[in-house]
Amino acid sequence: DQQVKQNSPSLSVQEGRISILNCDYTNSMFDYFLWYKKYPAEGPTFLISISSIKDKNEDGRFTVFLNKSAKHLSLHIVPSQPGDSAVYFCAASVSFQGGSEKLVFGKGTKLTVNP
Amino acid sequence: DVKVTQSSRYLVKRTGEKVFLECVQDMDHENMFWYRQDPGLGLRLIYFSYDVKMKEKGDIPEGYSVSREKKERFSLILESASTNQTSMYLCASSFLVGGAYEQYFGPGTRLTVT
Repeated sequence: DQQVKQNSPSLSVQEGRISILNCDYTNSMFDYFLWYKKYPAEGPTFLISISSIKDKNEDGRFTVFLNKSAKHLSLHIVPSQPGDSAVYFCAASVSFQGGSEKLVFGKGTKLTVNP
Repeated sequence: DVKVTQSSRYLVKRTGEKVFLECVQDMDHENMFWYRQDPGLGLRLIYFSYDVKMKEKGDIPEGYSVSREKKERFSLILESASTNQTSMYLCASSFLVGGAYEQYFGPGTRLTVT
């Protein structure tokens, strides 16, 4: 069963407009949510995270919103730039024994920002 | 800057060969991970380790094993490579930042098994 779902495999927006990437989850025990960005032939890079006790976190053009009751989070990119074109992965963190953790990833959404 | 390096960017192996993928991180992180990424399937966790000589199975451990003899090095082993193990393999290490464990990824190894 898929605990973290990104239902849109792709999204296309115009440069300067807002990009909204969505993510749903099923496990109430997730304590942190993270977004990663991945360019082809590179490893994913960390973008932004949010604690399960918060509902918003902002970092420059990137804002993540968390709706715990709906088990839904979204990443907003404003304004979108062509360099933002990449695959975006939503991930959820679950604590493991001894204080360690692991991430559960969604399948990713490919964002294309058109000039 | 955190650096995670992987021994090869591209690798071509034959079916039945034993394959070693090496990963090294230079930041003294406790946790290390191996994932594979396939189109439409996202990142799937193969194995992870939270200490030297410790290992835990991820979601898809079948056909793989791992070794962590030193803190900075985490190796993924394909005992007998098969064509369905053709994939992009990503190594990561993580540390605690403001309450969340951020994972840092290496550049990936594109493995082709023929």
